[in-house]
Amino acid sequence: TQLLEQSPQFLSIQEGENLTVYCNSSSVFSSLQWYRQEPGEGPVLLVTVVTGGEVKKLKRLTFQFGDARKDSSLHITAAQPGDTGLYLCAGRKVNDYKLSFGAGTTVTVRA
Amino acid sequence: SAVISQKPSRDICQRGTSLTIQCQVDSQVTMMFWYRQQPGQSLTLIATANQGSEATYESGFVIDKFPISRPNLTFSTLTVSNMSPEDSSIYLCSVEGRQGRGTDTQYFGPGTRLTVL
Repeated sequence: TQLLEQSPQFLSIQEGENLTVYCNSSSVFSSLQWYRQEPGEGPVLLVTVVTGGEVKKLKRLTFQFGDARKDSSLHITAAQPGDTGLYLCAGRKVNDYKLSFGAGTTVTVRA
Repeated sequence: SAVISQKPSRDICQRGTSLTIQCQVDSQVTMMFWYRQQPGQSLTLIATANQGSEATYESGFVIDKFPISRPNLTFSTLTVSNMSPEDSSIYLCSVEGRQGRGTDTQYFGPGTRLTVL
């Protein structure tokens, strides 16, 4: 079983719609990262959240870290075809240098 | 953030052979990591490469199969030895970097796509 449960596994939506990806765990994390990976490339860091209850906005992307630092969500408003990719959450447990990755969510935005 | 390059970007190899993947970073970093990403899956940590000491391997990965070198603070290699088709994956190099407010995070190279026939 994975430390971080990511859902849904696949998401296909029409351009202009909104979407939310969830990342849940029973463990507490000192920080949580979200990455986006396009085919043939390495994951690109989108954001790091470190404070319980923190909300960060990156243009049309909104990231939230749960109050207990066990879960996170990524919300995309008015999705565009350029948002298509594999979204990965990754958490760093307290006093651990390693990242644990979720299984990933494949997002497809249709024009 | 760090700029990371990997060579080769892709390769097709015969079973039983070995391939060495290089990872170069544009700045000195203490910790470098090697991951494997099998088709359609997430990332699995193979090992942590520290300069001046042996790499630390995760459960399920051994030095004989995945020897790692870390000769200095900007370079590392991962060798995939005695390859089989099950080794067909993307291999990713990653480094620890520091963001604002002293937050540590990891940055990834572009990956090496390996196909074993």
